[in-house]
Amino acid sequence: NAGVTQTPKFRVLKTGQSMTLLCAQDMNHEYMYWYRQDPGMGLRLIHYSVGEGTTAKGEVPDGYNVSRLKKQNFLLGLESAAPSQTSVYFCASSYPRGGLGNEQFFGPGTRLTVL
Amino acid sequence: QQQVKQSPQSLIVQKGGIPIINCAYENTAFDYFPWYQQFPGKGPALLIAIRPDVSEKKEGRFTISFNKSAKQFSLHIMDSQPGDSATYFCAASIMYSGGGADGLTFGKGTHLIIQP
Repeated sequence: NAGVTQTPKFRVLKTGQSMTLLCAQDMNHEYMYWYRQDPGMGLRLIHYSVGEGTTAKGEVPDGYNVSRLKKQNFLLGLESAAPSQTSVYFCASSYPRGGLGNEQFFGPGTRLTVL
Repeated sequence: QQQVKQSPQSLIVQKGGIPIINCAYENTAFDYFPWYQQFPGKGPALLIAIRPDVSEKKEGRFTISFNKSAKQFSLHIMDSQPGDSATYFCAASIMYSGGGADGLTFGKGTHLIIQP
């Protein structure tokens, strides 16, 4: 099993350009998440999905859009990139198990630089 | 408004020592408290987690202590090793009775160095 994979690993954009980050998981998880990680800020939730065809806003959703057309894939879009979106983006997936908690499995990250 | 506050930002401990990382939360609805470990260039990975019905949980050399009344929880690493050098994040979330959950709210992280 590959677990959670992210494409691409690195990307450099110019201000105003658009791009899509792809996340794929092979664990049949219902939930998927997008986080961004900035130095000294921890990880912050951008958007998440509780199942195919559903999406919800997290803590920092502005400037991003997401889609979950297939259960195994979760796409994060930047319509008009800004330097403030320079960050490392992590995708995660999970299958909440009530009393056992909600272990999230993270991908390796995408390092995005916006010039 | 930071909902999960983590301290210290960085910590250096000699091999065999017991590093302690502390977190405090504000939202009393939180009922799932995991700790994640992250190595450079990698995604975070779950280390250990606790629900508020217990005050302590041990898994190997890692222990979570939880104080519900104080809204605080901490990670202790027994017999620390250089391989434990990493960034540690506490987090909190809400679990729903129907089986669902919210996304995680993370602390800002602690950069831990274990010196040989």
